[in-house]
Amino acid sequence: QSALTQPASVSGSPGQSITISCTETSSDVGGYNYVSWYQQHPGKAPKVIIYDVRNRPSGVSNRFSGSKSGNTASLTISGLQVEDEADYYCSSFRSSSPVVFGGGTKLTVL
Amino acid sequence: EVQLVESGGGLVQPGGSLRLSCAASGFTFSSPWMTWVRQTPGKGLEWVANINPDGSEKLSVDSVRGRFTISRDNAKNSLYLQLNSLRVEDTAVYYCARGLGYMDVWGKGTTVTVSS
Repeated sequence: QSALTQPASVSGSPGQSITISCTETSSDVGGYNYVSWYQQHPGKAPKVIIYDVRNRPSGVSNRFSGSKSGNTASLTISGLQVEDEADYYCSSFRSSSPVVFGGGTKLTVL
Repeated sequence: EVQLVESGGGLVQPGGSLRLSCAASGFTFSSPWMTWVRQTPGKGLEWVANINPDGSEKLSVDSVRGRFTISRDNAKNSLYLQLNSLRVEDTAVYYCARGLGYMDVWGKGTTVTVSS
């Protein structure tokens, strides 16, 4: 089973851009096919903000974008806002295999 | 409004059992895969189990296999998670969510506390 590694924390100032990485560590060098990103504010349920590597659900700000290169997926938040302060989790999925979540990244907007 | 509402959590002793329920509304419940995800206090998310639309395919994480059982009743628009042989480390908020590859609708969660 694969594991997803995220930085424990990142920070940025309002208006800046930040990127959170999500690296798969497994014996499958082909990487993972379905990557999603979730935002979770304290005491709230997670909310999907990116699915299938780079797609945004309806209603999610275009300040959020996703990408993938090799075994590393990335979430970029541009034009940081105070309300973006939250925990962010990546997730990967392959057919007939368990869903895997990264350990989460705490974003602090200074 | 698309909604998932979990219930059934509570305080239980190690070795005990609970049945969690998730009531769905606002969408055709019989269509999507459904998933249970848990979050231990102050920690990250952990996928627990998922089930296909007709209930014939189920997957679960190694740590709960043989102890937890996911099921659904499409006639009642409900998802269930039977938790048996509970351990202290199963203490968590349990979320019900819609989807397989990604989960686009989440409930607010129900808290399970395993303690003597």
